[in-house]
Amino acid sequence: AQSVTQLGSHVSVSEGALVLLRCNYSSSVPPYLFWYVQYPNQGLQLLLKYTSAATLVKGINGFEAEFKKSETSFHLTKPSAHMSDAAEYFCAVHMDTGRRALTFGSGTRLQVQP
Amino acid sequence: EAGVAQSPRYKIIEKRQSVAFWCNPISGHATLYWYQQILGQGPKLLIQFQNNGVVDDSQLPKDRFSAERLKGVDSTLKIQPAKLEDSAVYLCASSLVAGGSVNEQFFGPGTRLTVL
Repeated sequence: AQSVTQLGSHVSVSEGALVLLRCNYSSSVPPYLFWYVQYPNQGLQLLLKYTSAATLVKGINGFEAEFKKSETSFHLTKPSAHMSDAAEYFCAVHMDTGRRALTFGSGTRLQVQP
Repeated sequence: EAGVAQSPRYKIIEKRQSVAFWCNPISGHATLYWYQQILGQGPKLLIQFQNNGVVDDSQLPKDRFSAERLKGVDSTLKIQPAKLEDSAVYLCASSLVAGGSVNEQFFGPGTRLTVL
């Protein structure tokens, strides 16, 4: 079975500071991993995805994530937080099977302080 | 390109009433998903369609929830009768997924259901 664990339901950073949102996965086969962002009263928007091509993945809005198989992690980072980054972030996984539905973590709410 | 459309955006009903949600996926997307997102949690899959056939409905509470995707395009999700614990955001997503390994899903804005 596949699952993801997001450490920290709330993260608060100052504007301009490093953003680090943690995600660990559990999968019996090589996974495909995703980070989605959800702004208030909106649907989920894809930030980036890991497809086994490159371990360091760059996404939109300056975010990136590194796949570390030895640590079963896929942490999301951004060098400098902006006020507009305040949102809920979800890590998700699916396997290369016919089902392909996403399994989501419980989410991390990012607050950016001025 | 138009995104995934959902309606209504908000719905308030009393317990034991029925409710229906509608989803129009991105044109050409063969696969459609309904997810339930309870406050403070990540989305959880309810049902997955491939064209108009069901691929996975193992987490759908079939005693009260039903879904259909006639003609392999639009889809409706129904709850009858609703319970208090059904209060959640219902997200519809679609993807191309005919071949290839990576399943990028595109999400609609969701329908926020409140059951009183």
